[in-house]
Amino acid sequence: AQSVAQPEDQVNVAEGNPLTVKCTYSVSGNPYLFWYVQYPNRGLQFLLKYITGDNLVKGSYGFEAEFNKSQTSFHLKKPSALVSDSALYFCAVRPGNNRKLIWGLGTSLAVNP
Amino acid sequence: NAGVTQTPKFQVLKTGQSMTLQCAQDMNHEYMSWYRQDPGMGLRLIHYSVGAGITDQGEVPNGYNVSRSTTEDFPLRLLSAAPSQTSVYFCASSYKAGTDYFHEQFFGPGTRLTVL
Repeated sequence: AQSVAQPEDQVNVAEGNPLTVKCTYSVSGNPYLFWYVQYPNRGLQFLLKYITGDNLVKGSYGFEAEFNKSQTSFHLKKPSALVSDSALYFCAVRPGNNRKLIWGLGTSLAVNP
Repeated sequence: NAGVTQTPKFQVLKTGQSMTLQCAQDMNHEYMSWYRQDPGMGLRLIHYSVGAGITDQGEVPNGYNVSRSTTEDFPLRLLSAAPSQTSVYFCASSYKAGTDYFHEQFFGPGTRLTVL
């Protein structure tokens, strides 16, 4: 079965430190990979995507993610965390030639002042 | 642009009642979808549409109907509400690039539904 895993329910990091939110996947074909962020009581917002090309993609709010085909991972990173980055982060994957996304269960990021 | 709008923001229903959650987008997106979000279960796709007159089921379609008569609107109907349908519902839209429907999705603010 095709799946997306976000192995950490919660990540805690101090403000100013680098952060990583992990995502691994198991899908067929060449996937499209996405990260979304959800602030409390809000809808999801698109952060970044990988479709093809450079394995390191840059997105909104200083976030970036690295596509690793051999490890089937797409980890979200930021060099210096802000308290305002505290939110719920979702990884989503579209299997090759498919019209549906497979979603991870989300990782709650808490950035402590 | 207003983006993706959803009404109502909050709704309380009694078991057995029916209602329609409204979703509209002004970005001329072909693809629209409905998700429900429940604690610990992430986002689950209910129904989706790739254009006016075309709809298809997602992973949790039972108890819900959709139609797509225009590009802009994609209402979700609950036929006979059940407590298991208590959830937060999100509508999303996405543009088509060539033959590819799937790029980033734009989400509405959500409807919080409680069924008593």
